[in-house]
Formats: sequence, C-alpha cells, structure tokens
Amino acid sequence: NAGVMQNPRHLVRRRGQEARLRCSPMKGHSHVYWYRQLPEEGLKFMVYLQKENIIDESGMPKERFSAEFPKEGPSILRIQQVVRGDSAAYFCASSAAGTGNQPQHFGDGTRLSIL
Amino acid sequence: DQQVKQNSPSLSVQEGRISILNCDYTNSMFDYFLWYKKYPAEGPTFLISISSIKDKNEDGRFTVFLNKSAKHLSLHIVPSQPGDSAVYFCAASETSGTYKYIFGTGTRLKVLA
Repeated sequence: NAGVMQNPRHLVRRRGQEARLRCSPMKGHSHVYWYRQLPEEGLKFMVYLQKENIIDESGMPKERFSAEFPKEGPSILRIQQVVRGDSAAYFCASSAAGTGNQPQHFGDGTRLSIL
Repeated sequence: DQQVKQNSPSLSVQEGRISILNCDYTNSMFDYFLWYKKYPAEGPTFLISISSIKDKNEDGRFTVFLNKSAKHLSLHIVPSQPGDSAVYFCAASETSGTYKYIFGTGTRLKVLA
C-alpha cells in the first residue's frame, strides 16, 4: 500500500498525558499537512511541513502542540498535556513537490480520545 | 469566519438520478478547488479538482463547475449509485500561498436504491 499511513488509528490518553501521532507520506511525496476534524465539522488546517522545515503553522495552537518532519522517518504531531478539547480526528495529507495544483492525499486518520 | 460554505448538510437522491452538491466561498484569492469523498472511519478521498482558469472539469461520472463571479462551485454526479453515499467536502486553496486547504463542513449524500 503506497498511500499515506497514519498510526495509531486510535489513541486514548488521560488528561495531562502526551499524545504522539505519526504520519508516513506517500512514496515520492515531500510535503506533509496535518488537519484536525471535530465532530460534525470540516477539516481544519493545522500545519504544513517539508523535510526538516515547518512552512506554515498558522493553524496550530501556540501552546502544547508541535510538529516535525525529520530527514529520516515519519512526520510527528505531538500534543503535550492533553485536555478534553483535544479529542478529535487528526488527519495527515501529503502531496508531491511542485506547484499548488497537486491534490493532497489523506491518510485514514488518528482518532484521539481524552479521558 | 467560514471562508468555504456547504449550506446543505444532507441530500438524498434516487439511484440513477443526478446528485448536485453545492459550495460557496468568500475569499477571491482562492484559485484551486477540490472535492473529496469521505466514508466513516476513513480519510477523505480525492475526487476531482478545478483550477480557476477553467469553469468545468469532468472525470467519468463526476463533473465540477466553477462560477467565479458568484464564488460558487458545484459537483454533479451522474448517474448516482448507492456506493456514492458518503460525506462530500469541498476545499479551496491559494496556489500562491502555502497550499493549505480550507474545507467546507460537508454534505452527507444518500443515494437510495
């Protein structure tokens, strides 16, 4: 399967714990995006990364949230000291390098539940 | 501020008929538009896109129409099939920007057999 791979599919954390969500882009893709979807809402952009660089993090909360896309390995979205409001589905997408006219392809998401 | 709006939360259509899903946007800087289909517990699947230099793009049973003056796009599915039952999201982006997508809230399509 050469699609976007996200893991884990489901993650349960207690308030105050850390959550780490992983995303491996499609083969040949070097652009990674993270989106969050709350129930009955659309997807909201969080952050856009290229290898080793954060390009746009305008949608990511300034505190507790961070993202990285290292030279080797998957992209990681990290949420520290989770709160109930962090419960959501987190989707990763990737696209090929180049112009903006390349559709983003999505993984199946990580459903984060905070107890 | 909802820059991309899908005002119909749900739509039911008979199998074999046309499904028309609508989307409005407010940001005149958007120049690339997409439709995604989403099944429960899965990620969005890319369906079709259109650049602002066009007013129509067709791919099999799916056609997207763009009316820039009205800031409106629509997705036509002909003929509709039961397997098309899903939530459909429209998305928009500025290709001169960082390519992030702004999504609508989705329309749940139900195709009745």
